[in-house]
Amino acid sequence: GENVEQHPSTLSVQEGDSAVIKCTYSDSASNYFPWYKQELGKRPQLIIDIRSNVGEKKDQRIAVTLNKTAKHFSLHITETQPEDSAVYFCAASYTGNQFYFGTGTSLTVIP
Amino acid sequence: GAVVSQHPSWVICKSGTSVKIECRSLDFQATTMFWYRQFPKQSLMLMATSNEGSKATYEQGVEKDKFLINHASLTLSTLTVTSAHPEDSSFYICSARREGAETQYFGPGTRLLVL
Repeated sequence: GENVEQHPSTLSVQEGDSAVIKCTYSDSASNYFPWYKQELGKRPQLIIDIRSNVGEKKDQRIAVTLNKTAKHFSLHITETQPEDSAVYFCAASYTGNQFYFGTGTSLTVIP
Repeated sequence: GAVVSQHPSWVICKSGTSVKIECRSLDFQATTMFWYRQFPKQSLMLMATSNEGSKATYEQGVEKDKFLINHASLTLSTLTVTSAHPEDSSFYICSARREGAETQYFGPGTRLLVL
C-alpha cells in the first residue's frame, strides 16, 4: 500500500516569513495530492491540491510543487499570518480513492 | 456546496454498548464515503471505504464486525461501533466524495468516549 511521510512534525515561523512542509510517497501510481488544514477540534479543510500532470500550482499565498520522479511534493506558504497556525496534512491517492495521509505538521506563526 | 455533517458530535457511553455515528452529505450525492479515526495529535487513519449500495472495504487491521458500516443512500453512511470498549475512544471523522471527483469533503467529526 501507499506510505506517506511528512516533515517536519512541528514548525515555528515568524509572522511574514515563509513556511515549507515536505511529503514523500511510495506508490508511483498515486496521482492526486491534496493538502488539508486542520484547526484544533475541527474538520480538515482542503486548502490546495495538485494532480500528477502538473508540476506546480499556486493560490494566492499558498503553492504546491510536485516531483513525480522523486515522489515528493511540498507545500509553500508565503507571508505567513497568525491565522495560518494549524496542523497541515498532506495526502496521496490514486484517482481520489483512498487517501493516505502524512503524519501532520503543526505550524505555529509567531506574531 | 459540498457540506458534510456528522451526528452526534459528542458521545459518551458505557463499555459494552453500541454507538451509531451518522455521516450525511447535505448538498451533493456522495457515491463514496470514507471513515477515519484520529487519535490526539496524530494523523487521520483510514478505517474503511463505503460505496453506496455495496459492502464497505476495510483497511488492514480494522475489524469489520467491530466497526459496522452501512451506506444505504447517496447521502448517508453510518458507522456503528459495536460493544464499545475504552480503547475505542477516539475522534471519528467521515468524508464524502462525488462520483468522478477526487476531492473529499470532511465532516466535523464525532468524539467518542467509552467509560
